[in-house]
This record gives sequence, C-alpha cells and structure tokens, in this order.
Amino acid sequence: EVQLVESGGGLVQPGGSLRLSCAASGFIFRSYSMNWVRQAPGKGLEWVSSISSSSSYISYADSVKGRFTISRDDAKNSLFLQMNGLRGEDTAVYYCARNWGGSDFWGQGTPVTVSS
Amino acid sequence: EIVLTQSPGTLSLSPGERATLSCRASQSVSSNFLAWYQHKPGRAPRLLIFGASTRATGIPDRFSGSGSGTDFTLTISRLEPEDFAVYYCQQYGDSFPLFGGGTKVEIK
Repeated sequence: EVQLVESGGGLVQPGGSLRLSCAASGFIFRSYSMNWVRQAPGKGLEWVSSISSSSSYISYADSVKGRFTISRDDAKNSLFLQMNGLRGEDTAVYYCARNWGGSDFWGQGTPVTVSS
Repeated sequence: EIVLTQSPGTLSLSPGERATLSCRASQSVSSNFLAWYQHKPGRAPRLLIFGASTRATGIPDRFSGSGSGTDFTLTISRLEPEDFAVYYCQQYGDSFPLFGGGTKVEIK
C-alpha cells in the first residue's frame, strides 16, 4: 500500500524557517518524481515545487522561488521542503504527492502557520 | 506557464442530478496532460481523471473526463451524496503544473 506521511509543520514567526519531511512507503520511491502542494485557509490548491527522480530536474512556483528548497533522500525514501524567509501568505496545509498522471497519491498534509 | 480557469465557481445541484464542470487553459495542454481531483475538507485530494479522460484506479464510472487542447470537462453523471466537494483541474504537461481555481459542487 502506497503511503506518504508528512511531518515538520508548526507555528513559526515571519522570517523564520521550517523543514518539512515526507516519508514514503509501499512503492519504489527512487523511480518517481515528487511534488509539494499547499492549500492556504479558504483558498484552492497551489502547486509549490517538483523534483524529478534522481533530482536531475527541480522547479518552483514563483511565489516560493529563492526561499524554498526541495530535496530527496532516496536511501531513506524521504522528500523534504526547506522553507526559509517564511511569510504570512505561506500559512497553509502542505501536502506531498507522488507524481504520476498528475499526482496519484497524496499524504494527509502538515499544517504550517506563520504568525507573530 | 499555462493558466487554467474553472467554471462555474459554485454548482448547486441535488443528488441524482448531472454535474458538468469546465476547465479552460490559456494555451494548449501538451498531450492532454490534464488531471481532475476531488477535495473534501480535512482530507487529501483524490485523483479522479488523468490524461484528460482516463479514470484513476477505483474511481466510479459516473465520473468521466473529456476534451482536448484548451477545453476540458469533468462530468458526474448522477451525483451521489459523497460527491459534494471541491473539484480541481491541473495540467501536468510542463514544468509548472498549476491548478485551476476549483469548482465547489454543493447540495441544493
């Protein structure tokens, strides 16, 4: 059974940093591209970042470029999102998702709140 | 980047009725790499359709996708109580797999 479990969310002050993790199981992690997607309160889904298998290609939404860094550790079946320079508008539930036919499997999400 | 516009914003229907949701792209979607998702509060989004018209594993056949190029449609033939949710389209054919703004299907 495919499982994706996010962790690392929480309350952080503006300008602060957080590192999100996504633990994957039930599939050959290294063979898949992966995505981070977020949903701010009362808003729709927003694609954040994608990383290809073997990390050869990475892309970011304009809203996070230069502040967020996506990475993966295939030996540990894990996906990461390092978030620096956090702003109020980054407050959201962050989901990791497996990239196949769009995103075919999603985690339950981890909430991030940026507030003083 | 390809911008997706979904309409209507909200659809008010009764169980048993047919729902037709639209997704229009600002430019042609490569190889019809267009997906539809269902999202309920507090739950993970669920992939319904990929490749514009292929149902994902386990998706009931009352859900169907159609369209090509810049105009795509998700149809729910007969709404079940569990189908009331927000639906998103997403193009995944280029480097920026953006989502549409969503259509909320609510109980009339």
